[in-house]
Amino acid sequence: EIVLTQSPGTLSLSPGERATLSCRASQSVSNDYVGWYQQKPGQAPRLLIYGASSRASGIPDRFSGSGSGTDFTLTINRLEPEDSAVYYCQQYGSSSPTFGGGTKVEIK
Amino acid sequence: EVRLVQSGAEVKKPGESLKISCLASGYTFTRSWIGWVRQVPGKALEYVAVIYPDDSDTRYNPSFQGHVTISADKSINTAYLQWSSLRASDSAMYYCTRPLGWEVPYEFAQWGQGTLVTVSS
Repeated sequence: EIVLTQSPGTLSLSPGERATLSCRASQSVSNDYVGWYQQKPGQAPRLLIYGASSRASGIPDRFSGSGSGTDFTLTINRLEPEDSAVYYCQQYGSSSPTFGGGTKVEIK
Repeated sequence: EVRLVQSGAEVKKPGESLKISCLASGYTFTRSWIGWVRQVPGKALEYVAVIYPDDSDTRYNPSFQGHVTISADKSINTAYLQWSSLRASDSAMYYCTRPLGWEVPYEFAQWGQGTLVTVSS
């Protein structure tokens, strides 16, 4: 099983700043099959990024994904108050997908 | 518009059986994978299983295989997740989810509203 470690656990930033979220895999992820999801309290997750760097439909270009192999990053530019949420990375390059433990982004 | 509408919250006792459902609309049900993701409150997401309704091809997370069963009824565009003997550790929110495309079953683009399952004596 591929274990995903997300860091930091919590990120506290001001509106307009940039958030950089890290996701490290215990082994290389085939085809860079990594996704990122946003989850707000009481809501279902929302797919932001798939294939490490492709934005899902309707996702603002402030959100971008990068990385390959074992190290992946979600960058959120020009933070807005509504970006306050928990963000999960997911790998689906192995036979059984796994999710990271999440990074909570707080907007000051 | 794609919609995934899940059945309501359930409260069960350990050892009881349960079947939760997800009614899909807005796309051709038989031509897309559909699956389930679990989330214990306050914890991370966990992939459970997916099914391709056209041929009932199923893929399970090994951690859940043998304890849950995923199925689909093509005639009513509904996917199911069932347990024959619930445990307290099955208590969680279960989300129905549909991936972006048929080639890669795990890019979960659409989500249901969730079904909360509580197992307690």
